[in-house]
Amino acid sequence: DGGITQSPKYLFRKEGQNVTLSCEQNLNHDAMYWYRQDPGQGLRLIYYSQIVNDFQKGDIAEGYSVSREKKESFPLTVTSAQKNPTAFYLCATAIDSTATQYFGPGTRLLVL
Amino acid sequence: DQQVKQNSPSLSVQEGRISILNCDYTNSMFDYFLWYKKYPAEGPTFLISISSIKDKNEDGRFTVFLNKSAKHLSLHIVPSQPGDSAVYFCAASARRGNTPLVFGKGTRLSVIA
Repeated sequence: DGGITQSPKYLFRKEGQNVTLSCEQNLNHDAMYWYRQDPGQGLRLIYYSQIVNDFQKGDIAEGYSVSREKKESFPLTVTSAQKNPTAFYLCATAIDSTATQYFGPGTRLLVL
Repeated sequence: DQQVKQNSPSLSVQEGRISILNCDYTNSMFDYFLWYKKYPAEGPTFLISISSIKDKNEDGRFTVFLNKSAKHLSLHIVPSQPGDSAVYFCAASARRGNTPLVFGKGTRLSVIA
């Protein structure tokens, strides 16, 4: 069953806590992306990776970190430096960095 | 500075009529354009795309038109159905520059039965 999975569906963060959002794919896509969606803001790019062991900052990378140790996985850590983390987080993948992106179901992060 | 603009935050259309969603871009290097459809609390779904070498691409009820001189593209949905009610995002990329997609802020389409 091919696709993109994001877990958990909902995540709660306490003040000063780091949390990690999971994104896994079995589509054999090289490129992976993390976006953040806020109401009325559309999709804003946080980080992207075109190949294993390489990643670049997007437009709003401050307060976030990523790793790409395996082709299938691109976890996103929301650090305590991100002061306004409440949002809907979307992971996407593409065959390569110029191709159509396909999205996972998303994770909603809420701050307690 | 927004490189991809969807100037209409919302649009209401009667069932069976045509829906026209518009998108403008500023970067002349963009050569690949896409439309995505998004329901609340779900990831966007790819709908249709167009390369800059074309001015029209059609897939069933969905047609995308590209006017390069005006830096404008539009998505036509005919006939509109209640299930089409969603937020539609326009996106663009400069494939020769190997850059990621740039998204507009979206247009919320409501199809009224």
